[in-house]
Amino acid sequence: AQTVTQSQPEMSVQEAETVTLSCTYDTSESNYYLFWYKQPPSRQMILVIRQEAYKQQNATENRFSVNFQKAAKSFSLKISDSQLGDTAMYFCATVYGGSQGNLIFGKGTKLSVKP
Amino acid sequence: EAGVAQSPRYKIIEKRQSVAFWCNPISGHATLYWYQQILGQGPKLLIQFQNNGVVDDSQLPKDRFSAERLKGVDSTLKIQPAKLEDSAVYLCASSLGRVYGNTEAFFGQGTRLTVV
Repeated sequence: AQTVTQSQPEMSVQEAETVTLSCTYDTSESNYYLFWYKQPPSRQMILVIRQEAYKQQNATENRFSVNFQKAAKSFSLKISDSQLGDTAMYFCATVYGGSQGNLIFGKGTKLSVKP
Repeated sequence: EAGVAQSPRYKIIEKRQSVAFWCNPISGHATLYWYQQILGQGPKLLIQFQNNGVVDDSQLPKDRFSAERLKGVDSTLKIQPAKLEDSAVYLCASSLGRVYGNTEAFFGQGTRLTVV
């Protein structure tokens, strides 16, 4: 079974600084996708970034980038130039070919950006 | 483009009562998911529909939970009778097809249920 582990329940960062959120996963699948979702207090999950396991190049989306280490089954999220609006819960998730598109989430990391 | 709509936003009920949640997915999205998010945990899938057919309900507590998606559009999730451990946020999501590749799931704002 696929599992996703986020070992940092809470983190904080000063505005304009850089922060890295950790995620590890376990899978026996050969291809899969990894995601980072943001959940602000409004509760609506928003996709931040995605990574296909077959692609060695790390995905980037503006201030957000990932460090994908396939052999180590690690998928960390780096947020550069942190902004107050980045304050939210961040969830790491995965989906694989046989999962019918069902996302498997970690427990989340609460990020607070301080002014 | 309108997003995934859910109602109500909040609901407080007593244990053993019944409750229903409603979801209207993004127009044209064939796949609809209901996730349960207990405080301090990530969302967990309850049921997945493809059009009006059930694809996966293996984690749905069928003795008390039921869901339907009439005409392959709107969906309702019902709990009867509710237990204290059902207190959670219930998230609805939709996607064009199953989430994979470039297919993205879009989430609603959820319903926060408190069972007292």
